[in-house]
Amino acid sequence: NAGVTQTPKFRVLKTGQSMTLLCAQDMNHEYMYWYRQDPGMGLRLIHYSVGEGTTAKGEVPDGYNVSRLKKQNFLLGLESAAPSQTSVYFCASSYRGASGRVGGFFGPGTRLTVL
Amino acid sequence: GQSLEQPSEVTAVEGAIVQINCTYQTSGFYGLSWYQQHDGGAPTFLSYNGLDGLEETGRFSSFLSRSDSYGYLLLQELQMKDSASYFCAVLPRRTGANNLFFGTGTRLTVIP
Repeated sequence: NAGVTQTPKFRVLKTGQSMTLLCAQDMNHEYMYWYRQDPGMGLRLIHYSVGEGTTAKGEVPDGYNVSRLKKQNFLLGLESAAPSQTSVYFCASSYRGASGRVGGFFGPGTRLTVL
Repeated sequence: GQSLEQPSEVTAVEGAIVQINCTYQTSGFYGLSWYQQHDGGAPTFLSYNGLDGLEETGRFSSFLSRSDSYGYLLLQELQMKDSASYFCAVLPRRTGANNLFFGTGTRLTVIP
């Protein structure tokens, strides 16, 4: 049981380049999320998904796109990277049940630098 | 909208007790969660309060008072390994997924 895994762990891009961050979970969770974390700040939600084939915008969606073609995978794309997208990106997943105990399981993060 | 306020830094002595506060403004939420994050690591779930009162999990306890818009995380018998950032997070009451909204975090430093 690997939990939540992310690929790659580190990446350096030049302004204007594109890339895709991969997230996979093996816990059969319905919900998956992409967050970014900047120095001294909390985590801000970029996009999320409530199930296979569905995605929705979070707090800071501009400049990113996502896809959830399979339940276990959630992809985050940067079409034209900008220096403002330099950050640490965390993927997370959770089970359903908003009225009960909720815990999110986070991946190890992807450290992205855009020059 | 939501806002969560936490002290930015707290320092405490090994073996002592420390309380990390979280005050919030939100239009409604299901519960308050706490996460721990070590430098360079991923956030890990610590506790959740769906109801007012105290939840205890080993050395960690968490408290919620909806009437006071306030919660806290209590760490007892502090160990050096507890040095980390701690985030409170709310689960807003709205249609959609479990979208946790995070505070900016409290960096706890445990000193010998």
